[in-house]
Amino acid sequence: DTGVSQDPRHKITKRGQNVTFRCDPISEHNRLYWYRQTLGQGPEFLTYFQNEAQLEKSRLLSDRFSAERPKGSFSTLEIQRTEQGDSAMYLCASSLPRLAGRTDTQYFGPGTRLTVL
Amino acid sequence: KQEVTQIPAALSVPEGENLVLNCSFTDSAIYNLQWFRQDPGKGLTSLLLIQSSQREQTSGRLNASLDKSSGRSTLYIAASQPGDSATYLCAVRGTNAGGTSYGKLTFGQGTILTVHP
Repeated sequence: DTGVSQDPRHKITKRGQNVTFRCDPISEHNRLYWYRQTLGQGPEFLTYFQNEAQLEKSRLLSDRFSAERPKGSFSTLEIQRTEQGDSAMYLCASSLPRLAGRTDTQYFGPGTRLTVL
Repeated sequence: KQEVTQIPAALSVPEGENLVLNCSFTDSAIYNLQWFRQDPGKGLTSLLLIQSSQREQTSGRLNASLDKSSGRSTLYIAASQPGDSATYLCAVRGTNAGGTSYGKLTFGQGTILTVHP
C-alpha cells in the first residue's frame, strides 16, 4: 500500500495556459475525490468519482475545469485558460466504501501546488 | 448548506499540556466526522473518524467526541509534544434524505497548534 500519489507536486504556469494534474489512488480504492485548498483555508470539495462515474460536482468546478477517471483507476484534473485565482493546492483523496469492520476514511495525497503567474 | 467552524484559530501551549480543539457544524444530518492533521505544505493525514452513530473514538493520545444533536465535536490531545505542532482540520460528511452519504467532506478552517518545548 503506497498511499495516494499526485503528479506533479508543483506547477508554475502563465495565465491562460492549460494544466493537467494526475492522481493515483490507493490500489483497489474505488472512490476518488478532488479538493482545492487556498492559503489559510480548509480544503473545498471539487468532485467525486465512484469507479469511472463522476457522481458529484461542486459549483466551484467551472466550465474551465474538467476531471476524468476513464478506467476507474487514476484520475486527471485539467484546468483550461488558467487564471491567477486558480493558484492553490489541489488535493486528491481516495477511499473504499464503508462495510462491516471497515470505515470509509478518505486518505489524501501530498497535493499539487499550482502557481499561476 | 453545511458550515463548519473551528475554535480557536490558533493555539500555543507548552509541552506536556492537555488540550482541546473544538469543531461545530450547522447541519446535524451528518454521516461521519473526520479529524485530520496537516503539516505545512503537505497533504492531510487522517487521525480519527467518528460515524454518526458513535459518540467517541480514541487513538493513542487522541480522543475525539461527537455530539450530533448540538453540532459539536472535540479533539482532545493528551500530554502534548512538539511533534504535535501542525494544523488540525475537522471535516463533516453529510447525508441525503435517504440516509446514504454524499461523497464530499466539508472542512473547517483549521486550528494551528504550536507546542513549544
